[in-house]
Amino acid sequence: GAVVSQHPSWVICKSGTSVKIECRSLDFQATTMFWYRQFPKQSLMLMATSNEGSKATYEQGVEKDKFLINHASLTLSTLTVTSAHPEDSSFYICSARSMGGELYGYTFGSGTRLTVV
Amino acid sequence: GENVEQHPSTLSVQEGDSAVIKCTYSDSASNYFPWYKQELGKRPQLIIDIRSNVGEKKDQRIAVTLNKTAKHFSLHITETQPEDSAVYFCAARVTGTASKLTFGTGTRLQVTL
Repeated sequence: GAVVSQHPSWVICKSGTSVKIECRSLDFQATTMFWYRQFPKQSLMLMATSNEGSKATYEQGVEKDKFLINHASLTLSTLTVTSAHPEDSSFYICSARSMGGELYGYTFGSGTRLTVV
Repeated sequence: GENVEQHPSTLSVQEGDSAVIKCTYSDSASNYFPWYKQELGKRPQLIIDIRSNVGEKKDQRIAVTLNKTAKHFSLHITETQPEDSAVYFCAARVTGTASKLTFGTGTRLQVTL
């Protein structure tokens, strides 16, 4: 089945630094990548949608200059949290969809728990 | 945009009983409705899904029903087991919106012995 590898699984960083999260589709081409943020005991909130080779589309209220998304290839998408602050501490999850999307549906990464201290 | 409401937020049942979780959606153009199970700190796992051209779908102990007229869909788990304890999310996808899913608020299911 389809697999998305997400790294790191957890990261602790100092306030003001940047953190990069990677999602790789291992056995399919991820034409679309969705990035979610999930706070404790809350639902998955979509942050942005990216298509390979295009600029990401951000949801309302999500700062595009703070959450940089790159989807330069069909197998790799990255989310960089710039100038991280404690309020950015959350669980970040990617979800990939292939061009033949109905075959694989939505494949989620394993998530990254970010703690900003 | 699409709005998905989910009830109840918590549900406790005894092992062997059935559990029902309900969701409503706002956009009549929604055509795909997956259900996910998420254990603490883990990724959501698809457990069942249904498309708008189908009213019901079953997979062993799990079933989903869809009422397009009322814009609601439900997850039914029969013969619950302790390993069914988790948070369950419903989601909906609107046709032509870049395929993005809108998630419900989640239901924490606790199956007690």
